[in-house]
Amino acid sequence: AQKITQTQPGMFVQEKEAVTLDCTYDTSDPSYGLFWYKQPSSGEMIFLIYQGSYDQQNATEGRYSLNFQKARKSANLVISASQLGDSAMYFCAMREGQKFGIQGAQKLVFGQGTRLTINP
Amino acid sequence: EAGVVQSPRYKIIEKKQPVAFWCNPISGHNTLYWYRQNLGQGPELLIRYENEEAVDDSQLPKDRFSAERLKGVDSTLKIQPAELGDSAVYLCASSSGRINTEAFFGQGTRLTVV
Repeated sequence: AQKITQTQPGMFVQEKEAVTLDCTYDTSDPSYGLFWYKQPSSGEMIFLIYQGSYDQQNATEGRYSLNFQKARKSANLVISASQLGDSAMYFCAMREGQKFGIQGAQKLVFGQGTRLTINP
Repeated sequence: EAGVVQSPRYKIIEKKQPVAFWCNPISGHNTLYWYRQNLGQGPELLIRYENEEAVDDSQLPKDRFSAERLKGVDSTLKIQPAELGDSAVYLCASSSGRINTEAFFGQGTRLTVV
């Protein structure tokens, strides 16, 4: 079963607008972490933001924020005031916790990604 | 501090030939991952190490792929023999192992099998 689902293969946004990239996840583990990565055309994976399952507040890092809705199992990335340099692939990922012992711990699973294009 | 180092960056080989990829993780990181990323898709886990132990290799095609992590530091991923469908980017990542810490990725090795 797919653990991480990103339903938007591609997004096109005007520069300076805000954009929301969707991510839903599936887990029965009460302890998990959610990550967003950016992958520009150069290929490197750049960590953006982290949200823990027990965190009471939504994570924020500069222009990035995470809209975490635990009951809906969604962890959408919001980029405010988009810039041309934000054009890239964006991946949502999940690491499940200690419930299943070492075999489950630390496993980091990625979604299929969303290609974001910022238009001038 | 140096990041995750992978080599080579690019490799072109003929089908049925062997190929090996090398990864040096960030110092002190116990967890090491090898991922395969096909064009336009997300990374897919091949194998995960905790120190020198391979704790998750369920996605590794064991008939042709092998991996090792000697002394719990550097790691090598090998394909023998390579097939056309193995063309992809092979990513190595490492992390300190805590649930709330991100994985750091290397630049990847782009493999083309012709």
